[in-house]
Amino acid sequence: LAKTTQPISMDSYEGQEVNITCSHNNIATNDYITWYQQFPSQGPRFIIQGYKTKVTNEVASLFIPADRKSSTLSLPRVSLSDTAVYYCLVDTNTGFQKLVFGTGTRLLVSP
Amino acid sequence: DVKVTQSSRYLVKRTGEKVFLECVQDMDHENMFWYRQDPGLGLRLIYFSYDVKMKEKGDIPEGYSVSREKKERFSLILESASTNQTSMYLCASREAGGAAPDTQYFGPGTRLTVL
Repeated sequence: LAKTTQPISMDSYEGQEVNITCSHNNIATNDYITWYQQFPSQGPRFIIQGYKTKVTNEVASLFIPADRKSSTLSLPRVSLSDTAVYYCLVDTNTGFQKLVFGTGTRLLVSP
Repeated sequence: DVKVTQSSRYLVKRTGEKVFLECVQDMDHENMFWYRQDPGLGLRLIYFSYDVKMKEKGDIPEGYSVSREKKERFSLILESASTNQTSMYLCASREAGGAAPDTQYFGPGTRLTVL
């Protein structure tokens, strides 16, 4: 089982770049890394997914080194509305028993 | 837009009661999931279903069962609720993926309290 480890919490200020790292030492060949964002009283929602190297979309970037044992979610120029819990997920289409969410990182963005 | 709905936002039950949590998705997704979310433990997979009538145990299935008689509906059943099942329950669905797993779409969650 690909266990994931993330920092419990992080603090930042508006306009700064935030990097949240997740370690997943036992990731398998067919696994992908997916990040979700969750606001209070809502279900998680998809942010970004990657397999290796770098992926970028309109809200975030995801960096995955060659060994794939960790990944870093990068949020450029955060705002107050980015205050949320961020989950790292090692995801797969082969055997959902292996789906493992991290414990989440609580990001607090202050003015 | 994908919509995943859960039958209740808040539910209070007594120990020993049989509890049904319902989840409905409107996007014809094959895969559906039930998670529970507890402080400090993140999301843990209880059961999942690849398709209608199919169900598989996740990481923490003890004390739970599921039912998927129709593609759009996935029910979580607590046969005899206990206080340690007090938690937030989240349902999710997604398409059966190709090479890469598809996005999971989550419902708003049901906060269950067992007294």
